[in-house]
Amino acid sequence: AQTVTQSQPEMSVQEAETVTLSCTYDTSESDYYLFWYKQPPSRQMILVIRQEAYKQQNATENRFSVNFQKAAKSFSLKISDSQLGDAAMYFCAYITGTYKYIFGTGTRLKVLA
Amino acid sequence: EAQVTQNPRYLITVTGKKLTVTCSQNMNHEYMSWYRQDPGLGLRQIYYSMNVEVTDKGDVPEGYKVSRKEKRNFPLILESPSPNQTSLYFCASSFRDGVDTQYFGPGTRLTVL
Repeated sequence: AQTVTQSQPEMSVQEAETVTLSCTYDTSESDYYLFWYKQPPSRQMILVIRQEAYKQQNATENRFSVNFQKAAKSFSLKISDSQLGDAAMYFCAYITGTYKYIFGTGTRLKVLA
Repeated sequence: EAQVTQNPRYLITVTGKKLTVTCSQNMNHEYMSWYRQDPGLGLRQIYYSMNVEVTDKGDVPEGYKVSRKEKRNFPLILESPSPNQTSLYFCASSFRDGVDTQYFGPGTRLTVL
């Protein structure tokens, strides 16, 4: 069965610094998608970044980038130049086929001024 | 405005009293999905729908029913709620399938006494 593991329940980062959130997953499939979602205190879920497994190039969205290591089944999120507005819960997710989602347990990110 | 709406936003009910949480999207999306969020467990998918009259189970379907009679609506039905269904529920939709960007509703906080 596919699983997604986020081993860091909580992380802190100083404003303007860089932080990396970890995610590992387990699957026997060769083609799949991985996601990072952000949930600020408003509870609204927002897609941060998406990675296709067959693409070797790591996805990037402005200050957010991923380090995708397919062989190691690792999918970490790097946030550069952290801002106060980055404070949120971050969920790593995997989709099996194109319909069934599996989320990790989340990492709460605190940004210190 | 493109959006996913859920009603009610908050609900307190008693064990065994049937309830329905509505979900509606105005973006003509084919894919819709229900999740529950619990502390320490992240989001877990309950049911998803690929199109009208096509639904399938997620990871935690027990105790829930869904229907998709119209493209825009995807209600979640709890026929006999129990306290272990106390949770925060999210509905989401995306254009074609789960790989596309999911747009989440604002969430429904359900308490079953």
